[in-house]
Amino acid sequence: EIVMTQSPATLSVSPGERATLSCRASQSVANNLAWYQQKPGQAPRLLIYDAFTRATGIPARFSGSGSGTEFTLTISSLQSEDFAVYYCQQYSQWPPLTFGGGTKVEIK
Amino acid sequence: EVQLVESGGGLVQPGGSLRLSCAASGFTFSGSPMNWVRQAPGKGLQWISVISSGSDTIYYADSVKGRFTISRDNSKNTVYLQMNSLRAEDTAVYYCAKKVPGNNPFDHWGQGTLVTVSS
Repeated sequence: EIVMTQSPATLSVSPGERATLSCRASQSVANNLAWYQQKPGQAPRLLIYDAFTRATGIPARFSGSGSGTEFTLTISSLQSEDFAVYYCQQYSQWPPLTFGGGTKVEIK
Repeated sequence: EVQLVESGGGLVQPGGSLRLSCAASGFTFSGSPMNWVRQAPGKGLQWISVISSGSDTIYYADSVKGRFTISRDNSKNTVYLQMNSLRAEDTAVYYCAKKVPGNNPFDHWGQGTLVTVSS
């Protein structure tokens, strides 16, 4: 099973600032890596897939990078609607499909 | 517009059973693998099962293997999750999620249905 580890668990950021979230895989997942955003009481929403491709309708301030075992989600200028929990997920080797533990982006 | 609508959640005693349904619309259901993912209160996401478009390939997470059964009815555009021998640790919001066949992410999710296992 591929274990996904996200850091930090919580990130405190002021509106307008940049946020950088990390995700590490226990073995290579190539670029088979997705990022999801989840707001309280809502289902997750796909943001990024194949490590760096934005899903339909996702603003350009969201960008993904990395390959192999190290990945990054960057939010270039945080808007109020971006404060949420973010999960990474690998779909390279499955079952099982595995998620990271999440990073909560909160207002500083 | 893709829509996934779960139903069937509720309160059940330990050892009991429950069947969840997920009604799909807005895409070619018969061509899409379907998954169930759950989220315990205040916790992260856990994938639990997938069924291929033709029901010929099914996988489960170890935590539910032998207790949960996934199935689908392509004539009704619905996927099911039969949950038996429920435990307190199965308490969670259960989401159905679709993905494109192959190595692809979950591109659409339902709103979830809450299952509470408690006496």
